[in-house]
Amino acid sequence: AQSVSQHNHHVILSEAASLELGCNYSYGGTVNLFWYVQYPGQHLQLLLKYFSGDPLVKGIKGFEAEFIKSKFSFNLRKPSVQWSDTAEYFCAVNDKVTSGTYKYIFGTGTRLKVLA
Amino acid sequence: GAGVSQSPSNKVTEKGKDVELRCDPISGHTALYWYRQSLGQGLEFLIYFQGNSAPDKSGLPSDRFSAERTGGSVSTLTIQRTQQEDSAVYLCASSPGQGGGETQYFGPGTRLLVL
Repeated sequence: AQSVSQHNHHVILSEAASLELGCNYSYGGTVNLFWYVQYPGQHLQLLLKYFSGDPLVKGIKGFEAEFIKSKFSFNLRKPSVQWSDTAEYFCAVNDKVTSGTYKYIFGTGTRLKVLA
Repeated sequence: GAGVSQSPSNKVTEKGKDVELRCDPISGHTALYWYRQSLGQGLEFLIYFQGNSAPDKSGLPSDRFSAERTGGSVSTLTIQRTQQEDSAVYLCASSPGQGGGETQYFGPGTRLLVL
Protein backbone atom coordinates (compact mmCIF):
# COMPACT_ATOMS: atom_id res chain seq x y z
CA ALA A 1 0.00 0.00 0.00
CA GLN A 2 1.00 3.57 -0.52
CA SER A 3 2.52 5.63 2.23
CA VAL A 4 3.40 9.30 2.49
CA SER A 5 6.29 10.82 4.43
CA GLN A 6 6.55 14.40 5.54
CA HIS A 7 9.92 14.82 7.14
CA ASN A 8 9.45 18.28 8.62
CA HIS A 9 7.04 18.14 11.53
CA HIS A 10 7.49 21.70 12.74
CA VAL A 11 8.90 24.61 10.79
CA ILE A 12 9.39 28.15 12.07
CA LEU A 13 10.21 30.93 9.63
CA SER A 14 10.32 34.69 9.61
CA GLU A 15 8.16 36.61 7.18
CA ALA A 16 9.65 36.87 3.68
CA ALA A 17 11.71 33.71 4.14
CA SER A 18 11.44 31.01 1.50
CA LEU A 19 9.60 27.78 2.28
CA GLU A 20 10.07 24.23 1.13
CA LEU A 21 8.18 21.36 2.75
CA GLY A 22 9.16 17.84 1.81
CA CYS A 23 6.78 15.09 0.76
CA ASN A 24 7.72 11.63 -0.46
CA TYR A 25 5.47 8.75 -1.39
CA SER A 26 6.36 5.11 -1.44
CA TYR A 27 5.86 3.76 -4.92
CA GLY A 28 5.33 4.83 -8.49
CA GLY A 29 2.89 4.11 -11.20
CA THR A 30 0.17 6.57 -11.90
CA VAL A 31 -0.38 8.78 -8.90
CA ASN A 32 -2.29 11.89 -8.06
CA LEU A 33 -0.75 14.12 -5.43
CA PHE A 34 -2.25 16.78 -3.23
CA TRP A 35 -1.36 19.39 -0.67
CA TYR A 36 -4.05 20.39 1.81
CA VAL A 37 -3.82 23.18 4.35
CA GLN A 38 -5.57 23.70 7.66
CA TYR A 39 -5.47 27.28 8.93
CA PRO A 40 -6.10 27.77 12.66
CA GLY A 41 -9.76 27.20 13.42
CA GLN A 42 -10.65 26.36 9.83
CA HIS A 43 -11.44 23.27 7.79
CA LEU A 44 -8.87 21.40 5.77
CA GLN A 45 -8.85 22.78 2.24
CA LEU A 46 -7.07 22.02 -0.99
CA LEU A 47 -3.95 24.04 -1.69
CA LEU A 48 -2.99 22.40 -4.98
CA LYS A 49 -2.92 19.06 -6.75
CA TYR A 50 -1.08 17.21 -9.46
CA PHE A 51 -3.22 15.15 -11.77
CA SER A 52 -1.28 15.02 -15.04
CA GLY A 53 0.70 17.24 -17.39
CA ASP A 54 3.10 19.93 -16.21
CA PRO A 55 4.89 18.61 -13.12
CA LEU A 56 5.15 22.13 -11.70
CA VAL A 57 1.80 22.88 -10.18
CA LYS A 58 0.69 26.28 -8.99
CA GLY A 59 -1.88 26.66 -6.26
CA ILE A 60 -3.55 29.33 -4.23
CA LYS A 61 -1.77 32.07 -2.30
CA GLY A 62 1.48 31.80 -4.26
CA PHE A 63 2.22 28.18 -3.39
CA GLU A 64 3.63 25.74 -5.91
CA ALA A 65 4.77 22.13 -5.88
CA GLU A 66 6.94 20.08 -8.18
CA PHE A 67 6.25 16.44 -8.97
CA ILE A 68 9.56 14.62 -9.48
CA LYS A 69 8.70 11.09 -10.46
CA SER A 70 12.26 9.77 -10.20
CA LYS A 71 12.47 10.91 -6.60
CA PHE A 72 8.91 10.00 -5.61
CA SER A 73 8.59 13.54 -4.33
CA PHE A 74 6.07 16.36 -4.37
CA ASN A 75 7.63 19.17 -2.36
CA LEU A 76 5.70 22.32 -1.57
CA ARG A 77 7.35 25.71 -2.06
CA LYS A 78 6.67 29.37 -1.59
CA PRO A 79 9.30 32.05 -2.34
CA SER A 80 8.25 34.44 0.42
CA VAL A 81 5.99 33.41 3.30
CA GLN A 82 3.59 35.65 5.15
CA TRP A 83 2.34 35.55 8.71
CA SER A 84 -1.03 34.39 7.35
CA ASP A 85 0.61 31.21 6.03
CA THR A 86 0.80 29.92 9.60
CA ALA A 87 -1.06 26.62 9.34
CA GLU A 88 -0.69 22.87 9.19
CA TYR A 89 0.12 21.42 5.79
CA PHE A 90 -0.71 17.87 4.69
CA CYS A 91 0.58 16.02 1.68
CA ALA A 92 -1.64 13.27 0.26
CA VAL A 93 -1.49 10.66 -2.48
CA ASN A 94 -4.23 8.55 -3.91
CA ASP A 95 -4.02 4.78 -3.58
CA LYS A 96 -5.89 2.63 -6.04
CA VAL A 97 -8.24 0.21 -4.32
CA THR A 98 -9.89 -1.35 -7.33
CA SER A 99 -10.29 -0.31 -10.91
CA GLY A 100 -11.78 3.14 -10.79
CA THR A 101 -11.85 3.53 -7.04
CA TYR A 102 -9.27 5.17 -4.82
CA LYS A 103 -8.59 6.08 -1.26
CA TYR A 104 -6.36 8.87 -0.11
CA ILE A 105 -3.31 8.49 2.09
CA PHE A 106 -2.23 11.52 4.08
CA GLY A 107 1.09 12.37 5.63
CA THR A 108 1.43 13.29 9.29
CA GLY A 109 1.43 17.00 8.53
CA THR A 110 3.86 19.88 8.97
CA ARG A 111 3.07 22.70 11.34
CA LEU A 112 4.36 25.97 9.94
CA LYS A 113 4.68 29.01 12.14
CA VAL A 114 5.58 32.29 10.51
CA LEU A 115 6.89 35.00 12.77
CA ALA A 116 5.84 38.55 11.97
CA GLY B 1 -23.21 27.18 -0.96
CA ALA B 2 -23.41 24.69 1.89
CA GLY B 3 -20.29 22.75 2.64
CA VAL B 4 -19.80 19.50 4.48
CA SER B 5 -21.35 19.62 7.92
CA GLN B 6 -20.71 17.37 10.90
CA SER B 7 -22.45 16.93 14.20
CA PRO B 8 -21.92 17.16 17.03
CA SER B 9 -18.95 19.50 16.92
CA ASN B 10 -17.78 18.23 20.31
CA LYS B 11 -18.63 15.07 22.19
CA VAL B 12 -17.53 14.05 25.65
CA THR B 13 -18.41 10.53 26.68
CA GLU B 14 -17.52 7.98 29.29
CA LYS B 15 -15.49 4.93 28.53
CA GLY B 16 -17.72 2.05 27.46
CA LYS B 17 -20.52 4.19 26.04
CA ASP B 18 -21.52 4.17 22.37
CA VAL B 19 -21.32 7.32 20.23
CA GLU B 20 -22.72 8.28 16.85
CA LEU B 21 -21.10 10.88 14.65
CA ARG B 22 -22.96 12.35 11.72
CA CYS B 23 -21.78 13.73 8.39
CA ASP B 24 -23.80 15.65 5.82
CA PRO B 25 -21.86 15.82 2.56
CA ILE B 26 -22.17 18.43 -0.13
CA SER B 27 -25.33 17.81 -2.11
CA GLY B 28 -24.65 15.69 -5.17
CA HIS B 29 -21.30 14.37 -3.99
CA THR B 30 -21.24 10.62 -4.47
CA ALA B 31 -18.08 9.85 -2.53
CA LEU B 32 -17.78 10.28 1.23
CA TYR B 33 -14.77 9.66 3.45
CA TRP B 34 -14.15 9.34 7.17
CA TYR B 35 -10.79 10.09 8.75
CA ARG B 36 -9.44 10.25 12.26
CA GLN B 37 -6.99 12.96 13.22
CA SER B 38 -5.00 12.34 16.36
CA LEU B 39 -2.30 14.60 17.72
CA GLY B 40 0.89 14.01 15.77
CA GLN B 41 -0.67 11.21 13.72
CA GLY B 42 -1.90 13.02 10.66
CA LEU B 43 -5.11 11.90 9.03
CA GLU B 44 -5.85 8.22 9.40
CA PHE B 45 -8.18 6.85 6.74
CA LEU B 46 -11.13 4.95 8.21
CA ILE B 47 -13.65 4.19 5.47
CA TYR B 48 -15.12 5.59 2.33
CA PHE B 49 -18.44 5.28 0.55
CA GLN B 50 -19.28 5.40 -3.11
CA GLY B 51 -22.99 5.95 -3.05
CA ASN B 52 -24.28 3.78 -0.21
CA SER B 53 -21.68 1.06 -0.53
CA ALA B 54 -18.32 0.93 1.18
CA PRO B 55 -15.74 -0.68 -1.12
CA ASP B 56 -12.95 -0.32 1.42
CA LYS B 57 -13.43 -0.78 5.16
CA SER B 58 -9.82 -1.67 5.80
CA GLY B 59 -9.11 1.47 7.80
CA LEU B 60 -11.59 0.79 10.58
CA PRO B 61 -9.43 0.22 13.68
CA SER B 62 -11.57 -2.50 15.24
CA ASP B 63 -14.97 -4.13 15.07
CA ARG B 64 -16.21 -1.51 17.53
CA PHE B 65 -16.24 0.92 14.61
CA SER B 66 -18.94 0.83 11.94
CA ALA B 67 -20.37 3.25 9.43
CA GLU B 68 -23.31 3.47 7.15
CA ARG B 69 -24.62 5.80 4.52
CA THR B 70 -28.23 6.03 3.50
CA GLY B 71 -29.81 7.56 0.46
CA GLY B 72 -26.41 8.37 -0.97
CA SER B 73 -26.24 11.30 1.41
CA VAL B 74 -25.91 11.37 5.20
CA SER B 75 -23.40 9.06 6.85
CA THR B 76 -23.11 7.93 10.45
CA LEU B 77 -19.95 6.65 12.09
CA THR B 78 -20.69 4.60 15.20
CA ILE B 79 -18.15 3.71 17.86
CA GLN B 80 -19.32 1.10 20.34
CA ARG B 81 -17.90 0.64 23.82
CA THR B 82 -15.64 3.65 23.45
CA GLN B 83 -12.09 3.54 24.78
CA GLN B 84 -9.82 6.40 25.78
CA GLU B 85 -7.65 5.79 22.72
CA ASP B 86 -10.67 6.65 20.55
CA SER B 87 -10.29 10.29 21.59
CA ALA B 88 -9.52 12.24 18.43
CA VAL B 89 -11.02 14.55 15.85
CA TYR B 90 -13.16 12.66 13.36
CA LEU B 91 -13.24 14.30 9.97
CA CYS B 92 -15.62 13.71 7.11
CA ALA B 93 -14.97 14.70 3.52
CA SER B 94 -16.92 14.39 0.30
CA SER B 95 -16.02 14.60 -3.37
CA PRO B 96 -18.08 14.79 -6.53
CA GLY B 97 -16.98 11.39 -7.75
CA GLN B 98 -14.37 8.73 -7.18
CA GLY B 99 -11.79 9.52 -9.81
CA GLY B 100 -8.21 9.52 -8.67
CA GLY B 101 -7.77 13.27 -8.94
CA GLU B 102 -10.87 14.36 -7.09
CA THR B 103 -10.62 17.20 -4.59
CA GLN B 104 -12.02 16.33 -1.19
CA TYR B 105 -14.08 18.89 0.70
CA PHE B 106 -13.73 18.56 4.43
CA GLY B 107 -16.12 19.26 7.25
CA PRO B 108 -15.19 20.95 10.53
CA GLY B 109 -14.83 17.65 12.35
CA THR B 110 -16.21 16.18 15.56
CA ARG B 111 -13.87 16.38 18.52
CA LEU B 112 -14.41 13.25 20.63
CA LEU B 113 -13.13 12.97 24.16
CA VAL B 114 -13.50 9.67 25.99
CA LEU B 115 -13.05 9.98 29.73
